[in-house]
Amino acid sequence: EDQVTQSPEALRLQEGESSSLNCSYTVSGLRGLFWYRQDPGKGPEFLFTLYSAGEEKEKERLKATLTKKESFLHITAPKPEDSATYLCAVQATSGTYKYIFGTGTRLKVLA
Amino acid sequence: AAGVIQSPRHLIKEKRETATLKCYPIPRHDTVYWYQQGPGQDPQFLISFYEKMQSDKGSIPDRFSAQQFSDYHSELNMSSLELGDSALYFCASSLRTAVQAFFGQGTRLTVV
Repeated sequence: EDQVTQSPEALRLQEGESSSLNCSYTVSGLRGLFWYRQDPGKGPEFLFTLYSAGEEKEKERLKATLTKKESFLHITAPKPEDSATYLCAVQATSGTYKYIFGTGTRLKVLA
Repeated sequence: AAGVIQSPRHLIKEKRETATLKCYPIPRHDTVYWYQQGPGQDPQFLISFYEKMQSDKGSIPDRFSAQQFSDYHSELNMSSLELGDSALYFCASSLRTAVQAFFGQGTRLTVV
C-alpha cells in the first residue's frame, strides 16, 4: 500500500536556526513527490515537485531533496514567516494519480 | 494566473441537512480531485474526475456524491450531514498529462 510518513510532527526553531523535515514514502512506482506549504484554514500551496532520486530543487530558504525512500525539506536560516504546516505527498505511476499525503510537519519559527 | 476557485469559503449547516460545495478548476485542466481535511489531519482523498467521468474513489461516504459538469467545474453534494463531517474540503485540478495539481483555498464546513 502506498504510504507517506512525515517527521517530526512539530518543530520549533529560533529565527536563523536551520533544520530539515523528513518525508519517508512507500509507493509502487513514483510519478512525483510534492512539497506543499499550508497556512491555517487555507489550501495547500505548491512548493516543489521531485521526480527521481538525486534530484534537488531550491526556492529562497527552502531546498528539497529526494532519494529512493525519502525526501528532505531543508530550511536555511528560517524566518517567522516560514511558520506553517509543510505537507509531503506522492503520486504513483499506477492508478489514477491521486495524491497521497503525509500528516505534515507543523513548523513554528520564533523571532 | 487563474487558480482553483472554491465556493463557498465557509458553510454552516445543521445535522441532517444537505450541503453543496463547488469547485472551478484552472482553465483547460481536465482532472479534478476532492479532499477532506479534518482538524490537525492530513488531506484524505475522496473522489476524482477525469474528463467528466469518475476516475477514482477514496474514503467518500455513501451520503456524499459528486460530479463534473461539461464546463469541467465539479460539485460535491453532501446529505444527512453529521457532526463528523465538519472539516476543510479541498478541490485540486490538474492536466492528466501533467504531474502537478493545484489546490483551491478550500471550503470550511461546520456542522452544528
